[in-house]
Amino acid sequence: AQTVTQSQPEMSVQEAETVTLSCTYDTSESDYYLFWYKQPPSRQMILVIRQEAYKQQNATENRFSVNFQKAAKSFSLKISDSQLGDAAMYFCAYRRDFGNEKLTFGTGTRLTIIP
Amino acid sequence: DAGITQSPRYKITETGRQVTLMCHQTWSHSYMFWYRQDLGHGLRLIYYSAAADITDKGEVPDGYVVSRSKTENFPLTLESATRSQTSVYFCASRLTTNSYNEQFFGPGTRLTVL
Repeated sequence: AQTVTQSQPEMSVQEAETVTLSCTYDTSESDYYLFWYKQPPSRQMILVIRQEAYKQQNATENRFSVNFQKAAKSFSLKISDSQLGDAAMYFCAYRRDFGNEKLTFGTGTRLTIIP
Repeated sequence: DAGITQSPRYKITETGRQVTLMCHQTWSHSYMFWYRQDLGHGLRLIYYSAAADITDKGEVPDGYVVSRSKTENFPLTLESATRSQTSVYFCASRLTTNSYNEQFFGPGTRLTVL
């Protein structure tokens, strides 16, 4: 079974600084997707960024980027120029590429932005 | 506004009562999902459905029942609620025309079982 591990229950960063959230996963599959979701206090789950395992290039979405290390099964999220609105729970998630639509989530990292 | 909605948003019930959480999506997405969110566990899959009348168990299905008579609705029933079912419940849906399709989440239902 696939597992996703987020070893940092809480992180904090000064506003405008950069922070990296860690995620590791375990799978025997070669084709899969990885995601980072943001959950602000409103509880709404918001997709931040996704990475296809077959792509070597790391995904980037504005201030958010990932460091995908397939051999190490590591998928970290870097947030640059942190803003107050980035404060939230961040969840790493895994999904097989085909035949299985289920997302497997990590336990989350609570990110606090210090003004 | 089109999207995925859940009702009620908040529910308090007593142990042993039956509770149904509703989920409705307007996109005609084929896949629908129910997750529960608990501290220290992230989101865990309860049940999912690939299409109308097709459902399957997820990671934590015990104590829950689902049905899907129509594509747009996916209700989750707690037949006899227990305190351990106090949680935040999320419904999600996904179009599956290709593997890239995103999974969209509803706003969640906070359920308290006394």
